[in-house]
Order: sequence, then C-alpha cells, then structure tokens
Amino acid sequence: AQKITQTQPGMFVQEKEAVTLDCTYDTSDQSYGLFWYKQPSSGEMIFLIYQGSYDEQNATEGRYSLNFQKARKSANLVISASQLGDSAMYFCAMRVRGPAILTGGGNKLTFGTGTQLKVEL
Amino acid sequence: DTEVTQTPKHLVMGMTNKKSLKCEQHMGHRAMYWYKQKAKKPPELMFVYSYEKLSINESVPSRFSPECPNSSLLNLHLHALQPEDSALYLCASSQEQPLTDTQYFGPGTRLTVL
Repeated sequence: AQKITQTQPGMFVQEKEAVTLDCTYDTSDQSYGLFWYKQPSSGEMIFLIYQGSYDEQNATEGRYSLNFQKARKSANLVISASQLGDSAMYFCAMRVRGPAILTGGGNKLTFGTGTQLKVEL
Repeated sequence: DTEVTQTPKHLVMGMTNKKSLKCEQHMGHRAMYWYKQKAKKPPELMFVYSYEKLSINESVPSRFSPECPNSSLLNLHLHALQPEDSALYLCASSQEQPLTDTQYFGPGTRLTVL
C-alpha cells in the first residue's frame, strides 16, 4: 500500500520569503511519480510540479521547486518569494506503477492530508 | 489556465431530485476521473474512465451513476442523494501515460443536498 504524509496542517510565511512544505511517502515500488497540487479557496486543484522516481535532478517550475530525497522518501515543495496569492491548501500526491498500467485504466493518485499555507504582509 | 470545464459551479438539490454534473476536457486526454472532496480533506477517487470505458469504481453507492458519452465528456448522474453527499465534486483528465501521467482538474461543482 502507498501512503503520503504531510505533517504540517498549517503554515504561515511572510510575503517575499521562501517556505518549505513537507511531504514524505511510503511505497515498496521502484517506479512512482510525485505531484504537488495547489487548491485555493475557490476549489480548483491546480497542478504545480512533478517528480519521477528515476529523475536525477530536482524538478523546478518557476518559483516552485521540489526537494527530492529518495533515500529519505521525502518530496518537499519549496516556494520562493511567496506572494499573497500563494495562500491556499497544498496537497502532495503519489502515483505508483501497477498492474493497471499494463492493461490501461487510468492512474490512481494517493493524496496527503494537505497543508494550509497563509502568506502574510 | 485549466482546460477542464465543469457545470454547474453550484448545485442545490433535494433528496428526491435527479440532477447531472457535467465535465468536458479539450486536451485530447483519454482518461477522465470523478472525485469527491469534503471540506479540508483530500479528494477521494470515485470513478475512472479510460478510453471511454469504466475502469475503476471505488465502491461508490449506486445513487451516483457515471457516464462517458465520448472521450471529451464525462457526466455524473445523481439520484436520491443524502445530505452527507454534500461536497465539492471534481473532474480530472489525463493522457494515460505511465508514471508521467498528470491529472488536470476542473474548477469543481459545489453540491448541497437538502
């Protein structure tokens, strides 16, 4: 079974500062993908960044970077130069390669419980 | 900007009503998903369609009935719902690629059952 753990229910950060949101995962599979999504109060889940288990470099997308430490099974999201618009719920998620990949059938994501980030002036 | 659209944005219905949620994607994706999300909780997968065929049903009650008329459209038919079914319903789509497959979500429908 796969599990994602986000231990920070809430985080505060000052505008223009950097913030790290923690995510640890547990899987016995060697092939997996890790995702971060942002969910503002409006409800839409916005894809931020992806890291594959075989990727040697940490993923980056603009102000977002993923600090991937495979041996520690962690995939922390780093947001640089925080903005007021970054205030939202952030979910870490994992997808594991499984039998369904061979037969088709979509991909299941396992989500963490989320971290509520608030950016302050 | 999302290319997954959902209608309606808000829906209020009684327990005896029949209603439908609609989802459309314009990215040429071959897999589509329905999720249910309660406040301050992660999304819970309900159904997955792959190449227009139902591939995953996460033991969802029969009062929820999915339909995939074509590769771009996904419906969720609702009948005889309970107040505890009130939630945000999210639709997503993906390309159906191993591992790198990214799910893109729509804005959701906020459902209230009275």
